[in-house]
Amino acid sequence: AQSVTQLGSHVSVSEGALVLLRCNYSSSVPPYLFWYVQYPNQGLQLLLKYTSAATLVKGINGFEAEFKKSETSFHLTKPSAHMSDAAEYFCAVSSSDYGQNFVFGPGTRLSVLP
Amino acid sequence: DSGVTQTPKHLITATGQRVTLRCSPRSGDLSVYWYQQSLDQGLQFLIQYYNGEERAKGNILERFSAQQFPDLHSELNLSSLELGDSALYFCASGTGAREQYFGPGTRLTVT
Repeated sequence: AQSVTQLGSHVSVSEGALVLLRCNYSSSVPPYLFWYVQYPNQGLQLLLKYTSAATLVKGINGFEAEFKKSETSFHLTKPSAHMSDAAEYFCAVSSSDYGQNFVFGPGTRLSVLP
Repeated sequence: DSGVTQTPKHLITATGQRVTLRCSPRSGDLSVYWYQQSLDQGLQFLIQYYNGEERAKGNILERFSAQQFPDLHSELNLSSLELGDSALYFCASGTGAREQYFGPGTRLTVT
C-alpha cells in the first residue's frame, strides 16, 4: 500500500523568503508523484508531476520539486514567496497507469506574511 | 480552467434527503474520480470509474453510490443524508497518464 506524509500541517514564511514544503512517500513500486495547490473555495490544481524522467521537476508559478529515491522524498520549493502563494498544498503518489492507487497527503497550509 | 465541470456549485438540503451531483470529465479522459473534502477528514477518495466501469473504491459509505454513463459523465448519489455529510465534493478526471484534473467542486450543506 502506498502512503504520503507531509511534515507540518501549517507553514508560515515571510514574503520573499524560501518556501519549503515537505513530502515523504512510501511505495512498493516506482512511484509517480504530484503536487497540487488549492486556493480557497476552489478545486485542486496540478502544480507539477514526476513520472520517472528528470528528478528535478519544474512546475507552474515558480515552484519546483526534487525526487530523491534514497530519502523517499519529493519536497516542494520556491526561492521567493509571494503573497499569492498562500494556499493549501497537497502531495500525492500513484503507481498505476490507471490511477486507482492515487493517494493524497493530508495537506500543508502555507501562509505568507508581509 | 481544468476542463472538468461539476453541477451544482452549491446544494442545501435537509437530513434524510437524497441528492445527485454531476460531473463532466475533460474531453478524452476515460477515468472519473470522486472525492469528499471536509475540515475534519481532509481529502478522502470515494470511488473511481473507468470507461463506465467501477475501477476502485475508497472510503465511500453504503448510502452513497455513483455511476458513469456512456458519454462518460458521472453522477454521485448521496442518500439518507446526515449532518456529517456536509462537505465539498470534488470530481476529477484523467487518462492513463496518471495525473488528475479537478473540477471546481460542489459544496453540500445538510441542515
